[in-house]
Amino acid sequence: ETGVTQSPTHLIKTRGQQVTLRCSSQSGHNTVSWYQQALGQGPQFIFQYYREEENGRGNFPPRFSGLQFPNYSSELNVNALELDDSALYLCASSPFVAGGLDEQFFGPGTRLTVL
Amino acid sequence: AQSVTQLGSHVSVSEGALVLLRCNYSSSVPPYLFWYVQYPNQGLQLLLKYTTGATLVKGINGFEAEFKKSETSFHLTKPSAHMSDAAEYFCAVAYSGNTPLVFGKGTRLSVIA
Repeated sequence: ETGVTQSPTHLIKTRGQQVTLRCSSQSGHNTVSWYQQALGQGPQFIFQYYREEENGRGNFPPRFSGLQFPNYSSELNVNALELDDSALYLCASSPFVAGGLDEQFFGPGTRLTVL
Repeated sequence: AQSVTQLGSHVSVSEGALVLLRCNYSSSVPPYLFWYVQYPNQGLQLLLKYTTGATLVKGINGFEAEFKKSETSFHLTKPSAHMSDAAEYFCAVAYSGNTPLVFGKGTRLSVIA
């Protein structure tokens, strides 16, 4: 069973640029959540996708957007990068269990540095 | 809104000593509670979780945590620290099974030989 994978591992961008981060969910999982982990902080929820639709969003501006594909892989797009966007971006996949607990399995993350 | 407070951003223990990492949460309903570990340059690994039932939860690598509703706490313990336990530990809470996780700021555990 393949776990959650993310690409790229590291990325350096300059302020104002756009970036796309990718996530492949674990086999059998139809839900993907994205988190931002700034240095020295806990992860913060960005948004979640379930069956290709956004299914909840945290307190992040619209320049953070996402996609989920039919194979349940996902992309996180960030436009007009700011210095404060520098962080570890974590993707987590889970099987949607109605009325139960969706245990989230995390990928290794993408380290984004904005200069 | 839910929140999680981890007391102590950095805890240092000697090898073989008791590990105690503190976590308090705010929630108006019984929550799901989690502890995750993060090693340098890696993602999050689930140590243990509380959903319902027994309040003492055992996890991987000898860790356990006790849910105390009256104290709104979910402290993580391990009887004897090992060098390999040195990492960042995060407590997290969720309102329900399908809601996003709310994390604390983390506690860095150092183990001294």
